Amino acid sequence: DARVTQTPRHKVTEMGQEVTMRCQPILGHNTVFWYRQTMMQGLELLAYFRNRAPLDDSGMPKDRFSAEMPDATLATLKIQPSEPRDSAVYFCASGSGRGTNYGYTFGSGTRLTVV
Amino acid sequence: DQQVKQNSPSLSVQEGRISILNCDYTNSMFDYFLWYKKYPAEGPTFLISISSIKDKNEDGRFTVFLNKSAKHLSLHIVPSQPGDSAVYFCAASARAGNNRKLIWGLGTSLAVNP
Repeated sequence: DARVTQTPRHKVTEMGQEVTMRCQPILGHNTVFWYRQTMMQGLELLAYFRNRAPLDDSGMPKDRFSAEMPDATLATLKIQPSEPRDSAVYFCASGSGRGTNYGYTFGSGTRLTVV
Repeated sequence: DQQVKQNSPSLSVQEGRISILNCDYTNSMFDYFLWYKKYPAEGPTFLISISSIKDKNEDGRFTVFLNKSAKHLSLHIVPSQPGDSAVYFCAASARAGNNRKLIWGLGTSLAVNP
């Protein structure tokens, strides 16, 4: 089965440190999303890309978060500097956007803890 | 302001019975609705979807019903199995130009008891 791969699965870091999360989307998928899941807010869309171009990053705190797709096989989400309130599970998802099924495939997530 | 609302944070059902998960939305521009299932320590997985031109879509034990006038959809699982125990997310999307993005509910945690 094709899958979206996220690394690392878990990350514990100290406040103020830089955190980089990586995502390998499914080959051939041209749409990539970054989500953050918290208990209070559920799944929040942080950013998404189509054909590697950023389409919407309005959900992302711009001062500390950045998202990029250096190539079609890699998407990155960076937090610098990290804060305790960034502690959450971060999911990457990819999709082809074709056909009537707009379901996306999610990775297993990166659980980030900032202490 | 939640555009997609799942008002029941949790639901408990006996194995073999029907599970009904509900979802309400406020944006009349939504034209596509999806249900995802999520197990602990995993990402959500796509379950079933429905276009606004339909009022029902069925896939095995899972059926989604859409009531556009009430802005309400529901997911029925019949019969429920212990393996169905998970968090279920409702999501909706509307076309904005060439872009679509999903708006998510907060999820309903389903427990199917043997």
